[in-house]
Amino acid sequence: ETGVTQSPTHLIKTRGQQVTLRCSSQSGHNTVSWYQQALGQGPQFIFQYYREEENGRGNFPPRFSGLQFPNYSSELNVNALELDDSALYLCASSTGQGANLGPVAFFGQGTRLTVV
Amino acid sequence: QKEVEQNSGPLSVPEGAIASLNCTYSDRGSQSFFWYRQYSGKSPELIMSIYSNGDKEDGRFTAQLNKASQYVSLLIRDSQPSDSATYLCAVDTGRRALTFGSGTRLQVQP
Repeated sequence: ETGVTQSPTHLIKTRGQQVTLRCSSQSGHNTVSWYQQALGQGPQFIFQYYREEENGRGNFPPRFSGLQFPNYSSELNVNALELDDSALYLCASSTGQGANLGPVAFFGQGTRLTVV
Repeated sequence: QKEVEQNSGPLSVPEGAIASLNCTYSDRGSQSFFWYRQYSGKSPELIMSIYSNGDKEDGRFTAQLNKASQYVSLLIRDSQPSDSATYLCAVDTGRRALTFGSGTRLQVQP
């Protein structure tokens, strides 16, 4: 158990819809990162939040957005869903201090999103 | 060229044998290296991390790092059927994110 909890575990959406995925960080962790893992691929970095600010972003379009709350829980929002957005979405949390934010290494159980 | 490359497999080994998984990376500035195990339908689970050249052992697992050759490997001794999974190599290039390979599927035959 990593202490990182994601909800829901599975979700089916229609192309063009919007979706919100949620992540509850491990206690004391102030940094959260989101990754997308397509079938047969390794996880790809979407973005990272530190103390409620976006702290880094991968090669994903603006329709992928996020929020981090004062209790360090987080949301991933995806607008205008496309079929290629079907994937396992992973959240990971860690502690970070200033600019020395190491990579997060411990993932939640993931949310399986299917876009039809 | 992909930033982190792994042979997709499947790598098939008999029970009790040593499984050797390999990974190469392109960014010479990479500092931290990780191996994850992922069972089908589950999220990746961290099994090893390595930061300096040489070997690091943890139980049946040994991670090896050679920064000059930009090469990371994972050895699994006394392989068990429960080790059958996809093994992901991940690299921290200093951009506050992990870059993953596509994974190697390991099959341990009873």
